[in-house]
Amino acid sequence: NAGVTQTPKFRVLKTGQSMTLLCAQDMNHEYMYWYRQDPGMGLRLIHYSVGEGTTAKGEVPDGYNVSRLKKQNFLLGLESAAPSQTSVYFCASSYLGRSAFFGQGTRLTVV
Amino acid sequence: AQKVTQAQTEISVVEKEDVTLDCVYETRDTTYYLFWYKQPPSGELVFLIRRNSFDEQNEISGRYSWNFQKSTSSFNFTITASQVVDSAVYFCALSERGGSSGSARQLTFGSGTQLTVLP
Repeated sequence: NAGVTQTPKFRVLKTGQSMTLLCAQDMNHEYMYWYRQDPGMGLRLIHYSVGEGTTAKGEVPDGYNVSRLKKQNFLLGLESAAPSQTSVYFCASSYLGRSAFFGQGTRLTVV
Repeated sequence: AQKVTQAQTEISVVEKEDVTLDCVYETRDTTYYLFWYKQPPSGELVFLIRRNSFDEQNEISGRYSWNFQKSTSSFNFTITASQVVDSAVYFCALSERGGSSGSARQLTFGSGTQLTVLP
């Protein structure tokens, strides 16, 4: 069972470049989340979605955009990467907020 | 205001000692869920337990136990007879309704506790 799959697992970007992180889940969950993890700060919510075609801002949404065109996919975009966006990014999916299954994480470095 | 507080940033214990990780949460929701996750050095997030707000029974799973007390808004995690393999960052998380989507649930994490078990 795949569960939650994130691609890519690692990426190095130059300042100003753009990229998209893909999260795919095969559990038919309505809710999906994107988090970033920085040392000493736990996981902070960037954006989330409660269903296909819907998105909402989390705690730290600036500099990121998201889309949920299909129920199973949740995309996180960085339009113009900055060094402050160097982080580990986690995607999660949830059955109505009563569970949470995480992907393996994406380690992004912006130089 | 911080929703989930893990006041212990780092804890070190010697193998076979018992250790308790504290978690205090804040919510106005009457139906909410609490979670504990383990993040070993390899980086993945491993689900340990979920507890809903209507179930205050303590839970024991092997060397792990959880003490949920609504009166003090706490959901503490105890490892009995700790082992080196328990060394990890442990996160407490809260799922509650609210945010910009109204009744939809947000999942909020504490800042984590780094547990080091020394041989």
